[in-house]
Amino acid sequence: QSALTQPPSVSGSPGQSVTISCTGTSSDVGSYNRVSWYQQPPGTAPKLMIYEVSNRPSGVPDRFSGSKSGNTASLTISGLQAEDEADYYCSSYTISTPYVFGTGTKVTVL
Amino acid sequence: QLQLQESGPGLVKPSETLSLTCTVSGDSIISRTYYWAWIRQPPGKGLEWIGSVYYSGSPYYNPSLKSRVTISVDTSKNQFALKLISVTAADTAVYYCATLHSRSWYNDYWGQGTLVTVSS
Repeated sequence: QSALTQPPSVSGSPGQSVTISCTGTSSDVGSYNRVSWYQQPPGTAPKLMIYEVSNRPSGVPDRFSGSKSGNTASLTISGLQAEDEADYYCSSYTISTPYVFGTGTKVTVL
Repeated sequence: QLQLQESGPGLVKPSETLSLTCTVSGDSIISRTYYWAWIRQPPGKGLEWIGSVYYSGSPYYNPSLKSRVTISVDTSKNQFALKLISVTAADTAVYYCATLHSRSWYNDYWGQGTLVTVSS
């Protein structure tokens, strides 16, 4: 099972929206709504931001939203803020492994 | 509030065994809600799921590590453990313990992580 594919980096100015994609296959993202997203600022442990494709845990700002279409899941950050600068990872249940992370995306606030 | 704390040696020699323990507080490890997971992150690289175990046993392992990994639960101490044999420099990483929601497969609680360096 290979890692889910994410773009290495995305960037945006404060107030803009950015979207991070997470591409898998019909064996993982495409067949299960068990996709989650994590935020990891430098030197810290990852933090859960989205679970079950589009659900936000308590305390996560509603600027963060998740969606899925086919084999690709997406995380959108609306109204980008300086504090959102971090690495972001997706993960998914898979029929084979049975769990896999994405390759990670660095979000830069310009 | 559930909390997780990793402990173990920060330096392991090549070919030896890496052993880490995760202490769970704020809830019982005998939980139907969670698997107990180990995840690692080599310096400057991404996250890699190592494996997960339910309190009653039945571990799942990453196929790429399966031949070298054992994850076990000690319900009397509210702890779970990781053993990785025959380590090489490629096993140098920050090792995290975390919960893995048993129904929806997401990690909602994480330890702070511990750096393990493999070097002679």
